[in-house]
Amino acid sequence: QVQLVESGGGVVQPGRSLRLSCAASGFTFTTHGMHWVRQAPGKGLEWVALISDDAINKYYADSVKGRFTISRDNSKNTLSLQMDSLRPDDTAIYYCAKPSGSCVDYWGQGSLVTVSS
Amino acid sequence: EIVLTQSPATLSLSPGERATLSCRASQSVSSYLAWYQQKPGQAPRLLIYDASNRAPGIPARFSGSGSGTDFTLTISSLEPEDFAVYYCQQRSNRPPVLTFGGGTKVEIK
Repeated sequence: QVQLVESGGGVVQPGRSLRLSCAASGFTFTTHGMHWVRQAPGKGLEWVALISDDAINKYYADSVKGRFTISRDNSKNTLSLQMDSLRPDDTAIYYCAKPSGSCVDYWGQGSLVTVSS
Repeated sequence: EIVLTQSPATLSLSPGERATLSCRASQSVSSYLAWYQQKPGQAPRLLIYDASNRAPGIPARFSGSGSGTDFTLTISSLEPEDFAVYYCQQRSNRPPVLTFGGGTKVEIK
């Protein structure tokens, strides 16, 4: 069965960096683009970034462009999100998400990132 | 950029009642619209894709309809486990990014 397991969340000071990882299994990782989606406490869902299956194409929400970098290691079935220059409004649960057509059919359990001094 | 507007923000209903949730897009998304259910402390779960197709394992009481800019998620008879927040979502073509509506909370009356 499909599993997406995020790791790397935690508490970080404003301006610092954090790297999230997502270990994927149960499907052919190398043939799927992958998303990161986040959810601030008590708020709705916000798309963050997308990477193509071959890692050539990367897209970012305006709110994170220039600060976050999405990447993947197809040899290890791993998706990553490098988050630099973190701000308090980046505080959220970050979900790794597998697309299917125009929707997301599988989500990870989420990794909480708290940006606070 | 396509904006998705969900209404109402909160729906207060009793178990057994019918729930009707709306999602309106700022421009046509054809039939490329999905619905998700999210319960506290859990990740979202896909209910409906391509406007009207139930995802595997989703009960028949959930149905989706609409095309273009106006979409509806209907829960024919609310079960206790259906009280949750529901989000609609669409994917743009260029670039292929996701957009979510603000959510509708279905709460027990």
